[in-house]
Amino acid sequence: AQSVAQPEDQVNVAEGNPLTVKCTYSVSGNPYLFWYVQYPNRGLQFLLKYITGDNLVKGSYGFEAEFNKSQTSFHLKKPSALVSDSALYFCAVAGGYNKLIFGAGTRLAVHP
Amino acid sequence: EAGVVQSPRYKIIEKKQPVAFWCNPISGHNTLYWYLQNLGQGPELLIRYENEEAVDDSQLPKDRFSAERLKGVDSTLKIQPAELGDSAVYLCASSSGDRVVGEQFFGPGTRLTVL
Repeated sequence: AQSVAQPEDQVNVAEGNPLTVKCTYSVSGNPYLFWYVQYPNRGLQFLLKYITGDNLVKGSYGFEAEFNKSQTSFHLKKPSALVSDSALYFCAVAGGYNKLIFGAGTRLAVHP
Repeated sequence: EAGVVQSPRYKIIEKKQPVAFWCNPISGHNTLYWYLQNLGQGPELLIRYENEEAVDDSQLPKDRFSAERLKGVDSTLKIQPAELGDSAVYLCASSSGDRVVGEQFFGPGTRLTVL
């Protein structure tokens, strides 16, 4: 069965520093991977996805993610964190046609 | 372009009462999803519609939950009777369905509290 794991409940980073939010996956076949962000009292917003092609995927708000097949990882990164990036981040994998399976989420806290 | 609309945003009811949530997807999106999000967890799919047809309802507790999308546009999710464990956020999402796995657009959710 398809699944993703987000090993960190929370990530703390200082503003201006690079950030990484980790995600590992388990799939049979080629993985379709996604990152979503959830701000308080708002729905999830799509950040980026990996389907095929380049291992470095660029998305919204300056975020990018690196697909690593050998490590079965899809970590979310940003070179310079902003306080406004503080939110809940979800990694997801496609579990079939039009079906997403989400991780438990990682809370990112960016401190001034 | 208007986003996914959900109402109500908050609902507080006593256990054993019925409750209904409404969702209007983005115009033109033929695929509609209802998710359950418990505190501290990721969304879990309850049901997926392709137009009017429920094509994946394997995770929907059918003894108390029901859903409909009669005209292939807006949708209603109902719980009857509600239990304490149903307290959660219910999310609706939609997608255009023109790809194998496309981007899903989420509404703000309905936060249900069962007392």
